[in-house]
Amino acid sequence: QKEVEQNSGPLSVPEGAIASLNCTYSDRGSQSFFWYRQYSGKSPELIMSIYSNGDKEDGRFTAQLNKASQYVSLLIRDSQPSDSATYLCAVFNDYKLSFGAGTTVTVRA
Amino acid sequence: GAGVSQSPRYKVAKRGQDVALRCDPISGHVSLFWYQQALGQGPEFLTYFQNEAQLDKSGLPSDRFFAERPEGSVSTLKIQRTQQEDSAVYLCASNEGSGRAYTGELFFGEGSRLTVL
Repeated sequence: QKEVEQNSGPLSVPEGAIASLNCTYSDRGSQSFFWYRQYSGKSPELIMSIYSNGDKEDGRFTAQLNKASQYVSLLIRDSQPSDSATYLCAVFNDYKLSFGAGTTVTVRA
Repeated sequence: GAGVSQSPRYKVAKRGQDVALRCDPISGHVSLFWYQQALGQGPEFLTYFQNEAQLDKSGLPSDRFFAERPEGSVSTLKIQRTQQEDSAVYLCASNEGSGRAYTGELFFGEGSRLTVL
């Protein structure tokens, strides 16, 4: 079992819709949780971090964390074509960040 | 520089050649990581440095892979006798903190894309 699992894509949503991305992790001791966005041929860039249970909103992005269920999610509201990218869930333990395989999102104009 | 700098951006090597990939982290960043990202996959951890000390090299795929950071700033990832399965993007990332001061937010370089023929 991989440390971090993401729902398989690709995910295609119409412009203006909500894109929902899910992630589960195996280590209950994980401390911090991140969503990175990666455009094709580019490096990952951090878009959201979440450290405690509940929701965290930043603009059109909302991250949700449920440590009891070992589950992290990312919602993208009012999806734009510029949101088309691969979204990587990352989980932090001690000093190491472990990544999921990523979910590719395509926003249709 | 303002960000993490990696070179070369692209490298084509013949099978069996040695390659060296360089990473120049953000000035003052204590923690430095190397990740390997195969096509269509997420980054996979290779190794971690805290200043000049290599604290974890458990992700290095074989003894053909070697990393160093002798002065606690620039790091080099060396791959000896390259194989086709080494073809990937090698990402370097850094963070200013370590230990309890480090929460996991990493700043990535643009990566070095290695193609082994």
